[in-house]
Amino acid sequence: NAGVTQTPKFQVLKTGQSMTLQCAQDMNHNSMYWYRQDPGMGLRLIYYSASEGTTDKGEVPNGYNVSRLNKREFSLRLESAAPSQTSVYFCASSRALGGQGDNEQFFGPGTRLTVL
Amino acid sequence: AQSVAQPEDQVNVAEGNPLTVKCTYSVSGNPYLFWYVQYPNRGLQFLLKYITGDNLVKGSYGFEAEFNKSQTSFHLKKPSALVSDSALYFCAVRDRGDYKLSFGAGTTVTVRA
Repeated sequence: NAGVTQTPKFQVLKTGQSMTLQCAQDMNHNSMYWYRQDPGMGLRLIYYSASEGTTDKGEVPNGYNVSRLNKREFSLRLESAAPSQTSVYFCASSRALGGQGDNEQFFGPGTRLTVL
Repeated sequence: AQSVAQPEDQVNVAEGNPLTVKCTYSVSGNPYLFWYVQYPNRGLQFLLKYITGDNLVKGSYGFEAEFNKSQTSFHLKKPSALVSDSALYFCAVRDRGDYKLSFGAGTTVTVRA
């Protein structure tokens, strides 16, 4: 039971390049999330997926796209990377989106992205 | 709107001394409250949560937190800190009935031997 896994662990891009961050969970969770972590700002939600087949914007979606490939996998794509997207990216999953129940989120190890 | 404030960027304590990490929150309704810990180059690990009931919540690694509704606080505590507790700690809040989890900016805890 690996929990939430992310690839790659590190990535360096040049401005304008594109890349996809991969995330998978093996906990049979319905909901998945992408966050970015910047110093002094905590975690900010980029996109989320309430369940397979649905995705929605979070606080800071500009410059990103996502795909919920199946129940296990949720990818984040940067179409044209910018230096402002230098950050640590975390994927998370939870049993359900919210509402009834506590539904704590479980996090992956993160991807450290640098855009030059 | 909901928000979390962690008023201290850093907390430094000696090993064996009590550790407190402060958190205050703002939500329009009733909150679910969480503490997460992040070790260097690792993801966030869940420590404990307040859902309802007893205001004192016990979690992993000897940590506990006290929910205080009148002061809108959820401070994290450990009676006797260890050097291995040195990490970045995040408080988070979610309004019941909402999906969005809001995080504080984080508090770096350093426990010196």
